[in-house]
Amino acid sequence: QVQLQESGPGLVKPSQTLSLTCTVSGGSISSGYNFWTWIRQPAGKGLEWIGHIHTSGSTNYNPSLKSRVTISVDTSKNQFSLKLKSVTAADAAVYYCARARDGYNRYFDLWGRGTLVTVSS
Amino acid sequence: EIVLTQSPDFQSVTPKEKVTITCRASQSIGSSLHWYQQKPDQSPNLLIKYASQSISGVPSRFSGSGSGTDFTLTINSLEAEDAATYYCHQSSSLPHTFGGGTKVEIK
Repeated sequence: QVQLQESGPGLVKPSQTLSLTCTVSGGSISSGYNFWTWIRQPAGKGLEWIGHIHTSGSTNYNPSLKSRVTISVDTSKNQFSLKLKSVTAADAAVYYCARARDGYNRYFDLWGRGTLVTVSS
Repeated sequence: EIVLTQSPDFQSVTPKEKVTITCRASQSIGSSLHWYQQKPDQSPNLLIKYASQSISGVPSRFSGSGSGTDFTLTINSLEAEDAATYYCHQSSSLPHTFGGGTKVEIK
């Protein structure tokens, strides 16, 4: 079955760029009309949608983060990635990748286990 | 953006009791409302899609109802393994948004 796995540095310095990758295994990232999504959760807090991408390259971002976020996809590696620039302590969170299956306006049926990102000098 | 308000924030419940969690949307979202369960140190898990549609593998004691702006997640006959935080999520319009969560504790 399809699985998602986040990877990337667990520690980022303030003002630098956070970079994470989500690897899709057990299936092709290009199959179906799926939207590959990033969601984050600060410690002890709720969930925040960051944005998503379709393998066509079409993206949408949360307006609250739009000026700092880029999501990209590499179909040859079956991966999609998140870059968040100019990070501050407020960006410290567990970052999840997820799948919205068969459409952007759908539920998230598949989640990675999450990766903790700390922002500190 | 659409704001989802969950209540209560916290609930302490005895096993076999019935649990009701509500989620109110700031504007009508039809039935584009989904529920997730998140246990400590785990990722969220889809419980109910489109307000009331069941998910394969999810125990039948979990059910959902509602449409428009008011939605409910019901857990009939709570079990110890149901201790978790529950979130609602709307996919009606971008950005996707989530409720603040309801933590359910077992007495």
